Amino acid sequence: NAGVTQTPKFRILKIGQSMTLQCAQDMNHNYMYWYRQDPGMGLKLIYYSVGAGITDKGEVPNGYNVSRSTTEDFPLRLELAAPSQTSVYFCASSDPTASDTQYFGPGTRLTVL
Amino acid sequence: KQEVTQIPAALSVPEGENLVLNCSFTDSAIYNLQWFRQDPGKGLTSLLLIQSSQREQTSGRLNASLDKSSGRSTLYIAASQPGDSATYLCAVDGPFNKFYFGSGTKLNVKP
Repeated sequence: NAGVTQTPKFRILKIGQSMTLQCAQDMNHNYMYWYRQDPGMGLKLIYYSVGAGITDKGEVPNGYNVSRSTTEDFPLRLELAAPSQTSVYFCASSDPTASDTQYFGPGTRLTVL
Repeated sequence: KQEVTQIPAALSVPEGENLVLNCSFTDSAIYNLQWFRQDPGKGLTSLLLIQSSQREQTSGRLNASLDKSSGRSTLYIAASQPGDSATYLCAVDGPFNKFYFGSGTKLNVKP
């Protein structure tokens, strides 16, 4: 199993540009999450999904959108990039019916200039 | 709103020392508490998960305790090694397995 994969690993955006961060998992987990981590800080939840077709906001959803059309994929969309969105973005998945452990991807480092 | 605090923010110890990392949370209505390790530029690796009904969990040289009523958890690392150098994050979860993270303790174990 590849686990949780994220692409790209690094990206530089200009203010106002848009992009999609990709996340995929091959563990058949129903629950998926997007977090952001600012320097020296913990992770904050942006959006989460409990299954295909179902998404909900986390602590810091403003400026982001998500969709969940399949169990495997959970892309995160930035429509109008702002410097405040410079951060490292982590995707995670879990299967609460088996374990409450969350499995994390390697992260995407995004810089908005 | 759940707030998670970790003390100290950074810790430097000589190899071989036993050490304790602290985590506190404001809302005791948690489902689980989990300790993670994060290496520089990497993702998070789960170390220990304590369910709300449990008091502690052990894995090798690591022991995590949970006192839900007081909103505290500790991670005990025995006989520390340079390879233990990393940032340690604790997180508590509530409904829908949503996690709230502390800002971490950056550990440096000197050879």
